[in-house]
Amino acid sequence: DTGVSQDPRHKITKRGQNVTFRCDPISEHNRLYWYRQTLGQGPEFLTYFQNEAQLEKSRLLSDRFSAERPKGSFSTLEIQRTEQGDSAMYLCASSFYRDTDTQYFGPGTRLTVL
Amino acid sequence: AQSVTQLGSHVSVSEGALVLLRCNYSSSVPPFLFWYVQYPNQGLQLLLKYTSAATLVKGINGFEAEFKKSETSFHLTKPSAHMSDAAEYFCAVSQYGNKLVFGAGTILRVKS
Repeated sequence: DTGVSQDPRHKITKRGQNVTFRCDPISEHNRLYWYRQTLGQGPEFLTYFQNEAQLEKSRLLSDRFSAERPKGSFSTLEIQRTEQGDSAMYLCASSFYRDTDTQYFGPGTRLTVL
Repeated sequence: AQSVTQLGSHVSVSEGALVLLRCNYSSSVPPFLFWYVQYPNQGLQLLLKYTSAATLVKGINGFEAEFKKSETSFHLTKPSAHMSDAAEYFCAVSQYGNKLVFGAGTILRVKS
């Protein structure tokens, strides 16, 4: 059983550029979550999907952020016009409909905005 | 609103000593509670979870946690620390399988 995978693992970009991250959940997991973790803090919830429907978005998800899960499988998180404050680890997690409270996390994408 | 407080941002123990990491939660309804471990530059690995079955929950790597409703606590323990336990530990709470709300984390250092 492969776990949650995320690509890329590291991304360095210049302020003002757009970036896109990809998350592939565990096969047959219908829920997919995005979190952001800054240095010295616990992860903070951004958004989650059930199949292709985005069911909840945090106030942290400004209008520069957009997440999609078009076919209910992989998901993308795009950040437009990046700012230095966007520098963080972006974590993806997934869960199975029969055990939705147990989330399995991927290795994360480390974003550095210069 | 749910919240989690982890007492002590850093805990240092000697190898072989008891590990105790503290977590207190606030929730208006019976919560689901979790402990995750994170090694440097990696994602989070689930150690154990409480979902209202037994109050004493056993997890992986010899860790366990006890749910105490009267104290709104869910402290993580391990009888004997190993060098490989050095990592950051996060307590989290959720309701109904939705978003997790995490504490700020506790970095565990194990001295030889």
